[in-house]
Amino acid sequence: KQEVTQIPAALSVPEGENLVLNCSFTDSAIYNLQWFRQDPGKGLTSLLLIQSSQREQTSGRLNASLDKSSGRSTLYIAASQPGDSATYLCAVIVRTSYDKVIFGPGTSLSVIP
Amino acid sequence: EAQVTQNPRYLITVTGKKLTVTCSQNMNHEYMSWYRQDPGLGLRQIYYSMNVEVTDKGDVPEGYKVSRKEKRNFPLILESPSPNQTSLYFCASSLGRLASYNEQFFGPGTRLTVL
Repeated sequence: KQEVTQIPAALSVPEGENLVLNCSFTDSAIYNLQWFRQDPGKGLTSLLLIQSSQREQTSGRLNASLDKSSGRSTLYIAASQPGDSATYLCAVIVRTSYDKVIFGPGTSLSVIP
Repeated sequence: EAQVTQNPRYLITVTGKKLTVTCSQNMNHEYMSWYRQDPGLGLRQIYYSMNVEVTDKGDVPEGYKVSRKEKRNFPLILESPSPNQTSLYFCASSLGRLASYNEQFFGPGTRLTVL
């Protein structure tokens, strides 16, 4: 059964730091992996989508990598800003009979001015 | 503006009183899905729909129904709500099947409390 974990559960950093969020999954049979951010009281915003055949995707200050064989993805945030404070979630699309989505529990990020 | 909308955003109800949470998207997306989010359990998929009149169960479908009569709408129905269905609900849509490299777009959420 596919399980998705995220480390750390919470992170507090000073503004300007580069940081890495980790996502691990137990079954490498996935189609895609998607990173989201969730702001308090709001829905999820898509950040990056990585296809299983890809190694990484970049958008602005964000870079996501995927190592399917080891069951790991990382989200790198460069030059963090207070506006980056949110909960970051990863989700894998598993290879079953339908488009099943398994979410990780999230990493709560706080960027201190 | 391209978006997924949900109504109501907040709802307090009592056990057994049927309710419907509406979800609508204006992006002509084929794929739609419902999730619930609970502390310590994260987001879990309830139902999904790959197109009009095509729906299937996700991880936690018990106690819920859905319908997809039109492409843009995907209502979530609780025929007899119970307190364990108190949760934050999200609707999401995607251009096509998630396995085909299509990203999901989420609605703002509906916070449901069942007393």
